[in-house]
Amino acid sequence: AAGVIQSPRHLIKEKRETATLKCYPIPRHDTVYWYQQGPGQDPQFLISFYEKMQSDKGSIPDRFSAQQFSDYHSELNMSSLELGDSALYFCASSRRESDTQYFGPGTRLTVL
Amino acid sequence: AQSVTQLDSHVSVSEGTPVLLRCNYSSSYSPSLFWYVQHPNKGLQLLLKYTSAATLVKGINGFEAEFKKSETSFHLTKPSAHMSDAAEYFCVVTSWDTGRRALTFGSGTRLQVQP
Repeated sequence: AAGVIQSPRHLIKEKRETATLKCYPIPRHDTVYWYQQGPGQDPQFLISFYEKMQSDKGSIPDRFSAQQFSDYHSELNMSSLELGDSALYFCASSRRESDTQYFGPGTRLTVL
Repeated sequence: AQSVTQLDSHVSVSEGTPVLLRCNYSSSYSPSLFWYVQHPNKGLQLLLKYTSAATLVKGINGFEAEFKKSETSFHLTKPSAHMSDAAEYFCVVTSWDTGRRALTFGSGTRLQVQP
């Protein structure tokens, strides 16, 4: 079965640079969620989208933005990167009527 | 508001012995509860899910969990541990009624399986 696809899998950036993470949900899933997992931490919810509209917002910094496109894929844009942004970023997808979220393999971002 | 407390940060068992990972939840409304597993440097895999259809939920790889409303618990068990079960396990809650479908994670339990 098709799973959630995230790219890139690994990303290394310098401080103050920008980064873009991409997420391709499971086919026919209309809702996308972004989570951040710091070293040794549990995943923290950042933001979610349903039908290209932001549906919920968590602890996402103002330096970050995200959007969902007409094909339901989503991109997380991160600017003015800080050392503390180094983390594993997960995307999850679901159908709107379901509360079960399926996670992608994650993008490991390292900020030097 | 909703929250999850995983009572043990580390659990160590011997291969072939039972596994018990404890989780207590707090939710203002009828919750949906999940267990996810994360192997080192891997993504999060759904083990099982409770949504009020049955209090005893069976998941993949021989795991199961029992929802006990009176104790607000959702403990994860497995009769016989395997070396491949060594991983981080997260108890997760979401509440349909709040309209917020974002998952709230517990702090995780690292399961170590000794040969």
